[in-house]
Amino acid sequence: GNSVTQMEGPVTLSEEAFLTINCTYTATGYPSLFWYVQYPGEGLQLLLKATKADDKGSNKGFEATYRKETTSFHLEKGSVQVSDSAVYFCALTANTGNQFYFGTGTSLTVIP
Amino acid sequence: NAGVTQTPKFQVLKTGQSMTLQCAQDMNHEYMSWYRQDPGMGLRLIHYSVGAGITDQGEVPNGYNVSRSTTEDFPLRLLSAAPSQTSVYFCASSMDGSSSYEQYFGPGTRLTVT
Repeated sequence: GNSVTQMEGPVTLSEEAFLTINCTYTATGYPSLFWYVQYPGEGLQLLLKATKADDKGSNKGFEATYRKETTSFHLEKGSVQVSDSAVYFCALTANTGNQFYFGTGTSLTVIP
Repeated sequence: NAGVTQTPKFQVLKTGQSMTLQCAQDMNHEYMSWYRQDPGMGLRLIHYSVGAGITDQGEVPNGYNVSRSTTEDFPLRLLSAAPSQTSVYFCASSMDGSSSYEQYFGPGTRLTVT
C-alpha cells in the first residue's frame, strides 16, 4: 500500500541553525512527493514538490530530493528563521489512484 | 479568486446532532476532498470526488456523507455526531486527482462534539 513516515517532533532550533526533517515512503507505482507547511490557525500550503526520481524541489530556501533508491524525501534548510515555525507534512500521491497520503506532521519551533 | 472556502470556522455540536460542513472552490477544479486532522495522526482522507456526480470513500468514511452536485461545492454531512468526530476538518481541491497537481486547502473547520 501507500504510506508516508516522517520523523517525530517537536523540533526546536535556534535561528540560523540547519534543519533536516526526515521523510520516507512506501508506494505502488511511481509517486509524486510533496512537502506542505501549516502555519498556526491556517490550512496547509504547498511548500515544494518533486514528481520523479532525482528531482529536487525547492522553495523559500527549503529543498528536498526525491531518492528512489532510499524511498526518501527529506526536507532541508540551511538557515532557519523564526518565521519558519510551523508544522511540516510530507505527502505522496501515487499514479495508481486519486488519493493523497500524508505523514503525521513535524512541528518546528525556531527560537531567536 | 477566493480559492477554497469553508464554513463555519468553528462549531460545537451535541452528540446525536447532524450538520453540514460547507466547502466551495472557484478554481474550476475537478478533484475535491475532505480530511480530518487529529493530533499525532496527520491528515486522514474521509471522502473525495473526481467530478460532479462522482464520489468515493477514503480512509475514514464512517459517519460521514458527501455529494457533489456542482463542480464548485462539496459539502460534508455528519449524520449523527459522536465525540470521536471532534477534529479539525479540511477541504481541499486540485485540478484533477493525478500526481501532477498540488492540492489547495481551505482554512479548516474546528468541530467539537460534546
